[in-house]
Amino acid sequence: AQSVTQLGSHVSVSEGALVLLRCNYSSSVPPYLFWYVQYPNQGLQLLLKYTTGATLVKGINGFEAEFKKSETSFHLTKPSAHMSDAAEYFCAVTPQGNTPLVFGKGTRLSVIA
Amino acid sequence: DTGVSQNPRHKITKRGQNVTFRCDPISEHNRLYWYRQTLGQGPEFLTYFQNEAQLEKSRLLSDRFSAERPKGSFSTLEIQRTEQGDSAMYLCASTQTAGGPDLYEQYFGPGTRLTVT
Repeated sequence: AQSVTQLGSHVSVSEGALVLLRCNYSSSVPPYLFWYVQYPNQGLQLLLKYTTGATLVKGINGFEAEFKKSETSFHLTKPSAHMSDAAEYFCAVTPQGNTPLVFGKGTRLSVIA
Repeated sequence: DTGVSQNPRHKITKRGQNVTFRCDPISEHNRLYWYRQTLGQGPEFLTYFQNEAQLEKSRLLSDRFSAERPKGSFSTLEIQRTEQGDSAMYLCASTQTAGGPDLYEQYFGPGTRLTVT
């Protein structure tokens, strides 16, 4: 069975600082990995995904993540935080891409001016 | 592409009442998923369809829950005899199975927030 652990339920950074949101997964097969963002009272929007190929993936709004199989990690980064990045971020895994997603509990990102 | 839509956006009901939610997926998407999200948690899978066939149901989906997708287009999720523990955001997502991994993405609707009093 797949599972996702997101370290830190709340991360606070200053505007312009590096954003690092951590995600570790467990999967018995090579996983498909996703990061979603959720703004208050809205659905989830895909930031980026890893399916196959290059392990460093770039997404929208300047975010990127690196799939590290040896560390079973898929951490999300952004070089410079913007106030508009304040939201809830969810890491998710699925074994076959188009099957149900297993989500982590989420990390709330706050950006301080 | 008008996105995934869900109705109603908010529903307040009294314990013991039945409620029904509707999800309209992106038109060319053949897979449709239902998830439930409680406060401070990530979404949890409930059930999913390929066209009109229900492929899998989570153990979270008690007998009081039923979902259908009668013509492979929109889907409904019904909760009978609601309980306070059913209070949550119910999210719908859709995707297509054609094409390779680069197209694997579930598009989420805005959700229906259910409050059971």
